[in-house]
Amino acid sequence: DAEITQSPRHKITETGRQVTLACHQTWNHNNMFWYRQDLGHGLRLIHYSYGVQDTNKGEVSDGYSVSRSNTEDLPLTLESAASSQTSVYFCASNPGDTDTQYFGPGTRLTVL
Amino acid sequence: AQKITQTQPGMFVQEKEAVTLDCTYDTSDPSYGLFWYKQPSSGEMIFLIYQGSYDQQNATEGRYSLNFQKARKSANLVISASQLGDSAMYFCAMREGYGTASKLTFGTGTRLQVTL
Repeated sequence: DAEITQSPRHKITETGRQVTLACHQTWNHNNMFWYRQDLGHGLRLIHYSYGVQDTNKGEVSDGYSVSRSNTEDLPLTLESAASSQTSVYFCASNPGDTDTQYFGPGTRLTVL
Repeated sequence: AQKITQTQPGMFVQEKEAVTLDCTYDTSDPSYGLFWYKQPSSGEMIFLIYQGSYDQQNATEGRYSLNFQKARKSANLVISASQLGDSAMYFCAMREGYGTASKLTFGTGTRLQVTL
């Protein structure tokens, strides 16, 4: 079955380290998104992509980057992790001809 | 100003009763879409229901219905015949604009607890 996966599911890292969170979808969706979820804020958009080689900044993009080299993957990189980036990160995708986004299972990141 | 407002941090409902979760939104775009997602304690985000701004009828999906009142800018989720498995966080979200620009803005969520 087609799906969207994230890895790792849990990650503990130290302040200042570079961290990459993986997102892989097998639906062949053009659009992919990264959100972070924090108490009191709901989900906030970090970066998004409408296709290969396309990336765009979202509401809370500072300290994060993404790259889209193929349709299936949109890795999220924290260049120098900060404690404020401790959060749950969700990847989502949608095909572009409908609005509905389908979410991965999430990655819980702790920055010490 | 908040684009999506969910004023109920927590709600309780008895099993088999109906419950309404409130959502108001703010946009000047004539084309938009409204979504509800469920997040159980396991953490995944599950799509429940969608309403487009031009849809004439309120959306329904099984026990879920969306009470769309355009003039009041509200998109409340109604869950009929609540079940214990409905206990979860519920998020309202909005897509503004037309086409593939499907960025979503989320509310802060409502935690629903279904009791016996």
